[in-house]
Amino acid sequence: GENVEQHPSTLSVQEGDSAVIKCTYSDSASNYFPWYKQELGKRPQLIIDIRSNVGEKKDQRIAVTLNKTAKHFSLHITETQPEDSAVYFCAARPPSNTGKLIFGQGTTLQVKP
Amino acid sequence: DARVTQTPRHKVTEMGQEVTMRCQPILGHNTVFWYRQTMMQGLELLAYFRNRAPLDDSGMPKDRFSAEMPDATLATLKIQPSEPRDSAVYFCASGGQGVWEQYFGPGTRLTVT
Repeated sequence: GENVEQHPSTLSVQEGDSAVIKCTYSDSASNYFPWYKQELGKRPQLIIDIRSNVGEKKDQRIAVTLNKTAKHFSLHITETQPEDSAVYFCAARPPSNTGKLIFGQGTTLQVKP
Repeated sequence: DARVTQTPRHKVTEMGQEVTMRCQPILGHNTVFWYRQTMMQGLELLAYFRNRAPLDDSGMPKDRFSAEMPDATLATLKIQPSEPRDSAVYFCASGGQGVWEQYFGPGTRLTVT
């Protein structure tokens, strides 16, 4: 079955720096890759997603890139702010019509003021 | 602003008691997912339903857990009898056919003593 590996597990950056989180998936037919942000005690919130027919997507300070050949995708956060501190989860959707997502293990991002 | 809702938000119970958690998916979404989150396991998929029918419950301990969707606006997850190792946050999420995104509810924080 599909497996998603996420790295690093923890990431600490200075405010204003960029942060990059990487995920690798196993099923080359996976077609949808969302990213969720989870603040302490809150629900995971969808922040950006990308479909397999697109290589890159941006939304203000966040961007996601997809390399289908290498089967990996990355989240890029520029000009980090303390409110970006949270746990970030990547996910991949295997090729079925159930909508099931396979999640990575999460990355704890700390942005130091 | 359509959102997934869950009740109760917090539940403290004694070992051996029955626990019922409820989820109301976003109106029009026909797929409901149940996840369990602990510090060690990340987001663990327990079961999911489409059009009220179970699609997969292989992630759920069958001897004590059960999931149902009695109507399109209500999904339930029951644990009977509960054990301390069941202590976790239980999230439901909803999506749908033709809907790529999956949206999470606020979660039920369960503590079994």
